[in-house]
Amino acid sequence: QSALTQPRSVSGSPGQSVTISCTGTTSDVGGYNYVSWYQQRPGKAPKLMIYDVTERPSGVPDRFSGSKSGNTASLTISGLQAEDEADYYCCSFAGSYTFVFGGGTKLTVL
Amino acid sequence: EVQLVESGGGLIQPGGSLRLSCAATGFTVSNNYVSWVRQAPGEGLDWVSVIYSDGGSYYADSVKGRFIISRDNSKNTVYLQMNSLRAEDTAIYYCTKARDPYSYGGCDSWGQGTLVTVSS
Repeated sequence: QSALTQPRSVSGSPGQSVTISCTGTTSDVGGYNYVSWYQQRPGKAPKLMIYDVTERPSGVPDRFSGSKSGNTASLTISGLQAEDEADYYCCSFAGSYTFVFGGGTKLTVL
Repeated sequence: EVQLVESGGGLIQPGGSLRLSCAATGFTVSNNYVSWVRQAPGEGLDWVSVIYSDGGSYYADSVKGRFIISRDNSKNTVYLQMNSLRAEDTAIYYCTKARDPYSYGGCDSWGQGTLVTVSS
């Protein structure tokens, strides 16, 4: 149950696109199409942004998209806005009915 | 509207026990799966435990043998009994509900969290 690997921080200017990676193993990210992404603002509970690797819950802007290749999942945010500044976490099903999170990525909008 | 309300956190000495509660409204806990996720101060999210609709319960290695997840269907509440607490268990504890009880793909509702501090 090792944490998934995410970059500690990423940044971009308003209007640009950024991609956050989430690397696991064949036992989690690579083995299942059950990756989700969460946005967390300071002092707040996490918010689901992407589920099942690529799906967006209703209400989440289509600027947010998810993908996966092998053992690495990615969250891409296009047309960056100031309100996107937050911490982002990936999560994957890890088999045997368990889950594992990534270490988190701090997104700074310049 | 789905709501999850955690309670039971507080200051506890190392080696002590605490029981957290997660009271749910807007859905039936016995028809879904509910997880506990924690976040140490200034740190990332850490999955702790889950209870499924069939009653099956599973744990992170870091808490296995010390924590027990359970539920009371009559109260629509999920619990986390935490024993042999350590300083490294200090965190905000969130309960969260699966978006789809038949999928492992994401959790769409979260409580506000309850803070557990383990210190002498």
